[in-house]
Amino acid sequence: GDSVTQTEGQVTVSESKSLIINCTYSTTSIAYPNLFWYVRYPGEGLQLLLKVITAGQKGSSRGFEATYNKETTSFHLQKASVQESDSAVYYCALGDRYGGSGNKLIFGTGTLLSVKP
Amino acid sequence: GGIITQTPKFLIGQEGQKLTLKCQQNFNHDTMYWYRQDSGKGLRLIYYSITENDLQKGDLSEGYDASREKKSSFSLTVTSAQKNEMAVFLCASSGTVGNTGQLYFGEGSKLTVL
Repeated sequence: GDSVTQTEGQVTVSESKSLIINCTYSTTSIAYPNLFWYVRYPGEGLQLLLKVITAGQKGSSRGFEATYNKETTSFHLQKASVQESDSAVYYCALGDRYGGSGNKLIFGTGTLLSVKP
Repeated sequence: GGIITQTPKFLIGQEGQKLTLKCQQNFNHDTMYWYRQDSGKGLRLIYYSITENDLQKGDLSEGYDASREKKSSFSLTVTSAQKNEMAVFLCASSGTVGNTGQLYFGEGSKLTVL
């Protein structure tokens, strides 16, 4: 089957410190994965943070970066200096580039990021 | 831009009750989805629909029915609410193949069963 693993359920970081949220994926059916990070800020809907559809490429948005590593099947989210406003729940997700199975995404369990002032 | 509207935002039901959630999108997207979000379990797909009147089961379809009577709307029914159940249901939509598979989400409907 297909799955996404986020090992950290909750992460607390002090403002201006660096962050890494781990994400690895496994697939038996998707030949060309698309990888996504979605974010849910308090009181808001789930929204796309960044996406990468080509192995070896890096995506970035709002100071966050993630590189699609096909060898290690990983897509870790990083930020050099977090802010209080980054406090949110972050979800890693896996999709199929050629839209197999109706473009549905497989999500990880989410990581709650709390940034301390 | 477009928007996905879910109603109601909060739904309180009794054990055994049939409960319906509604979702509308104005993106003109072909595919719509219902996901369930539980704390510590991420998002799990309940049903999706690739076009009007189409229904496809996800991993969590047991205990749910869905309906896609027109392109812009997708309903989800909890056929028999379970006591003490609490979850957030998220509706999403996406365009045709080739748009990199990005999903657009509504704000969610929170279910509480007494």
